[in-house]
Amino acid sequence: AQSVTQPDIHITVSEGASLELRCNYSYGATPYLFWYVQSPGQGLQLLLKYFSGDTLVQGIKGFEAEFKRSQSSFNLRKPSVHWSDAAEYFCAVGARGGSQGNLIFGKGTKLSVKP
Amino acid sequence: DAGVTQSPTHLIKTRGQQVTLRCSPKSGHDTVSWYQQALGQGPQFIFQYYEEEERQRGNFPDRFSGHQFPNYSSELNVNALLLGDSALYLCASSLSGGQMMSSGANVLTFGAGSRLTVL
Repeated sequence: AQSVTQPDIHITVSEGASLELRCNYSYGATPYLFWYVQSPGQGLQLLLKYFSGDTLVQGIKGFEAEFKRSQSSFNLRKPSVHWSDAAEYFCAVGARGGSQGNLIFGKGTKLSVKP
Repeated sequence: DAGVTQSPTHLIKTRGQQVTLRCSPKSGHDTVSWYQQALGQGPQFIFQYYEEEERQRGNFPDRFSGHQFPNYSSELNVNALLLGDSALYLCASSLSGGQMMSSGANVLTFGAGSRLTVL
C-alpha cells in the first residue's frame, strides 16, 4: 500500500540550531515528493518539491530536501532554525501519471523552537 | 492575486445534518481538490474536480459529494453528518489544463480551510 511515514511526531530544537525532519515513503514507483508547512489555523504552504533531476532541492525560507531513492527517503533540512519556523511539517507524495493532485500525506511533525 | 479562499472558516453542526463548504480557486487554476484533515493527522484526499466533473475520488463514502461551477469554484457537501466528520476541510487548486500527466497538476495551492465541528 502507498504510504508516507514521518517517524517524529514532535521535535524541539533551539533557535539557530540545525534541523532535519525525516520522511520515508512506500510507493510503486518514484513519486513526486513534497514538503508542506502548516502554521496554526492556517492551510498548507508548499516549501519545496522534487519531480526529477538534482536530488537536492532548494525551497523557500532556507529549507532544502534530499531525495534518496535507495532509502525511499526525502528528508527536510535547514541549517539554522528561526523562531518563526515553529509549525507542523508534512511530507507528501504524488503520482507521476494518472492520479495527479491526489497526494498522500504523512501524519506530520510538529516543530517547536526554543529561544 | 488572491489565493484559494474558503468559506465558512468555522461551523458547528449536529449529527444527521448536512453541510456545504465553498471554495474559490487561485486565479488561473482550473482544478479543485478537497482534503479532510482530522485532528493530529495529515490531510486525506476526498475528491478532485475538473471541467465540472469529478475526476478522482478517495476512500470516502457517498455522503461526501461535490460540485464545480463554470467559474472553477467548488462546493463540498456532506450529508448525514457523523461525529467522525469533525475535521478541517481543505480546498486546494491547481492548473492541469486537461493534461493529466502534467507535473503542474500536482502543485497544489491550499486554502486556510473550513473547521467543521459535529456535535
